[in-house]
Amino acid sequence: KQEVTQIPAALSVPEGENLVLNCSFTDSAIYNLQWFRQDPGKGLTSLLLIQSSQREQTSGRLNASLDKSSGRSTLYIAASQPGDSATYLCAVRRKTSGSRLTFGEGTQLTVNP
Amino acid sequence: EPEVTQTPSHQVTQMGQEVILRCVPISNHLYFYWYRQILGQKVEFLVSFYNNEISEKSEIFDDQFSVERPDGSNFTLKIRSTKLEDSAMYFCASSAVWGRDTIYFGEGSWLTVV
Repeated sequence: KQEVTQIPAALSVPEGENLVLNCSFTDSAIYNLQWFRQDPGKGLTSLLLIQSSQREQTSGRLNASLDKSSGRSTLYIAASQPGDSATYLCAVRRKTSGSRLTFGEGTQLTVNP
Repeated sequence: EPEVTQTPSHQVTQMGQEVILRCVPISNHLYFYWYRQILGQKVEFLVSFYNNEISEKSEIFDDQFSVERPDGSNFTLKIRSTKLEDSAMYFCASSAVWGRDTIYFGEGSWLTVV
């Protein structure tokens, strides 16, 4: 059974700081890993999709890395802004169950002006 | 940008009542999903649907749940006899390709069972 864990559960940083969110998963037989952003009471916005054959994906100030063999991914946010405040979720899609995403608990990020 | 749309955004229902949650997936997508998130808990997979059939379901998706694509655009989740523990945010999602594509989520339908 796939387990996904995110550390830290919550993070508060001053504006402008670079930060790293961590995601780990127990079954390395995955198709891909997806990072999402969730604002309070809202839906899930896809940020980055990183395939199992890739090491990195970048979109603007966001960079996601994947180390499949060790079961880890990081989301790097450069020059954080108050508008980045949200919960960040990672989710993996296993090869044995290609239609479902297994989610972590999320990291609640607060960027203070 | 194309998006998944869901209705209603919020529904309050009495325990034991039937509820239908509606979704319009992204138009060229072929794979459809329902997930739920109980307040304060992880997002959980319920069911995936392709070619008018359930392709996978979780242990949560028991006989009180059903899904349907009644026409070319809508995708629905029916809960036959709601329980208090069905109170959650229900997310519809869709993707173009199985396995390797981005899955896009809607804004969710918040269901409160009283």
